Amino acid sequence: EDQVTQSPEALRLQEGESSSLNCSYTVSGLRGLFWYRQDPGKGPEFLFTLYSAGEEKEKERLKATLTKKESFLHITAPKPEDSATYLCAVQGGSNYKLTFGKGTLLTVNP
Amino acid sequence: DVKVTQSSRYLVKRTGEKVFLECVQDMDHENMFWYRQDPGLGLRLIYFSYDVKMKEKGDIPEGYSVSREKKERFSLILESASTNQTSMYLCASSLGTPNEKLFFGSGTQLSVL
Repeated sequence: EDQVTQSPEALRLQEGESSSLNCSYTVSGLRGLFWYRQDPGKGPEFLFTLYSAGEEKEKERLKATLTKKESFLHITAPKPEDSATYLCAVQGGSNYKLTFGKGTLLTVNP
Repeated sequence: DVKVTQSSRYLVKRTGEKVFLECVQDMDHENMFWYRQDPGLGLRLIYFSYDVKMKEKGDIPEGYSVSREKKERFSLILESASTNQTSMYLCASSLGTPNEKLFFGSGTQLSVL
């Protein structure tokens, strides 16, 4: 059974204070690791897909990296508008479904 | 942009009622999914469908059924609603290949009283 553990559960940063979110996973035959952002009262919004260890992707202040056991979402010089819940999910084997972690609630104070 | 539309944003139902949650996507996606999201539990897969009239159970199918008569529409049915089915329900869709990202709707917050 695929499993995803995200840490920390909640993170509070000052504007401009860089940090990282962690996603540890176990999966049989990783097809993809996905990062989503979710704002309160809305559905998750896609950020990145990573397919193999060593891969990195960037978007504005966000950078996602992948190893064989975990992924990191690095947030550089965050702004208040980066406040959201960040979800990690994996897809393995021949399944179409994604298995999600419980998310990290990020709050960036001005 | 892909649009996944869920018919209701908020829904209040009574225990024992039959409840229909509707989801429509406009990008000809093969796969459609129903998740529920609860505080402290994250997103959990209820059912998914990889083709019209095809369905597979997810991790928590008990108390639910689904219907996919047309490619663009995927319905979640609560046969007899119970209070423990109070939750945020999220519909999603994706292309036909296994490692494609999911596009989510805005969700339906269902309260069962």
